[in-house]
Amino acid sequence: AQSVTQLGSHVSVSEGALVLLRCNYSSSVPPYLFWYVQYPNQGLQLLLKYTTGATLVKGINGFEAEFKKSETSFHLTKPSAHMSDAAEYFCAVSAPRGNEKLTFGTGTRLTIIP
Amino acid sequence: DAGITQSPRHKVTETGTPVTLRCHQTENHRYMYWYRQDPGHGLRLIHYSYGVKDTDKGEVSDGYSVSRSKTEDFLLTLESATSSQTSVYFCAIRITGTGNTEAFFGQGTRLTVV
Repeated sequence: AQSVTQLGSHVSVSEGALVLLRCNYSSSVPPYLFWYVQYPNQGLQLLLKYTTGATLVKGINGFEAEFKKSETSFHLTKPSAHMSDAAEYFCAVSAPRGNEKLTFGTGTRLTIIP
Repeated sequence: DAGITQSPRHKVTETGTPVTLRCHQTENHRYMYWYRQDPGHGLRLIHYSYGVKDTDKGEVSDGYSVSRSKTEDFLLTLESATSSQTSVYFCAIRITGTGNTEAFFGQGTRLTVV
């Protein structure tokens, strides 16, 4: 079984500052890992994913995440926050087969301070 | 957006009544999922389907049933709605294939049980 833990249900950063959203996973097999973003009253949109290969993955809107097996982490970062980044972010994990269900974390709401 | 349509988008219903939510996809993907989203819980899987008439339970399946008689439609039924089922419901499809593992989500259905 897979699970994820997102540390911090709310994170606030100043515009232009570094964004760091934390995700730790638990998996009995090598995982597939995802970050999704949800803007108010909308569905979820994929930011980036890790399946195999390069452990630093780049996504849309300047976000990236690094898979660290030794730390069982997949933290999301962005060097410089923009007001438009304000949203809720979800980390998700699945077993490495395309048919497996995604298991989500409880989400982190990101607020950008002008 | 992977051609996913959820209906209705909003619904208010009374306790004890049955309710059916519909998820329709236009691209014949095999895997479909129903999640509910609640504050502090992230997204939790209710039921999923891996083909016509092939479904399985997720982590919060009590009080829900599903049906999939056609590839394109995945129906979620609340057999006798309760206030605890007030939530936002998301349908998702999982794209599988070489390099493709991500899920795409519908816009959600906001259900209020009074």
